[in-house]
Amino acid sequence: SAVISQKPSRDICQRGTSLTIQCQVDSQVTMMFWYRQQPGQSLTLIATANQGSEATYESGFVIDKFPISRPNLTFSTLTVSNMSPEDSSIYLCSVVRLQGPDTQYFGPGTRLTVL
Amino acid sequence: GQSLEQPSEVTAVEGAIVQINCTYQTSGFYGLSWYQQHDGGAPTFLSYNALDGLEETGRFSSFLSRSDSYGYLLLQELQMKDSASYFCAVGSTDKLIFGTGTRLQVFP
Repeated sequence: SAVISQKPSRDICQRGTSLTIQCQVDSQVTMMFWYRQQPGQSLTLIATANQGSEATYESGFVIDKFPISRPNLTFSTLTVSNMSPEDSSIYLCSVVRLQGPDTQYFGPGTRLTVL
Repeated sequence: GQSLEQPSEVTAVEGAIVQINCTYQTSGFYGLSWYQQHDGGAPTFLSYNALDGLEETGRFSSFLSRSDSYGYLLLQELQMKDSASYFCAVGSTDKLIFGTGTRLQVFP
């Protein structure tokens, strides 16, 4: 398994501001992902964080709204930009250590509330 | 489009057996995974099926039929701590697509 930490664990933000969420892994991993999860709902993939290059975004998510960085094999950030109340959600990073995305390890999540 | 359907909720009593089904329709398929998530917690990996058949891991078993685009998670000897949400997920070349999720409530 992998030990994953996320910061902050929760935050309450004002509309129009931005928040950067950090994800740190205790060892090098091949793949890192960012998900969003509304309370009581399933996980929606936002993007795959690629080391040293632009992230790969899923349909409905764009770089201007959710810029992602991954400067090395153990760290990534997700920024939620120009926030609105609709962005209130739990944001989770996950990692894969071996080839293939099937066994993912999730961070504890960041609970974001936008007022 | 891609979809993975699960029952929204299942209830059972301690000691019972429960089966959570997952039917999928995806553009790519490498395998079917199952994750458990307790309230307020992060999803944790339970099992993975790449080939047809049954995989057993302790009290939990997972089944896959690729020809039917169907799988299930079987939980035996249910315990109160098994109350959680369960998600199936289909892996393609570079990502996972998660199912709608099933909330399992175990009663004493």
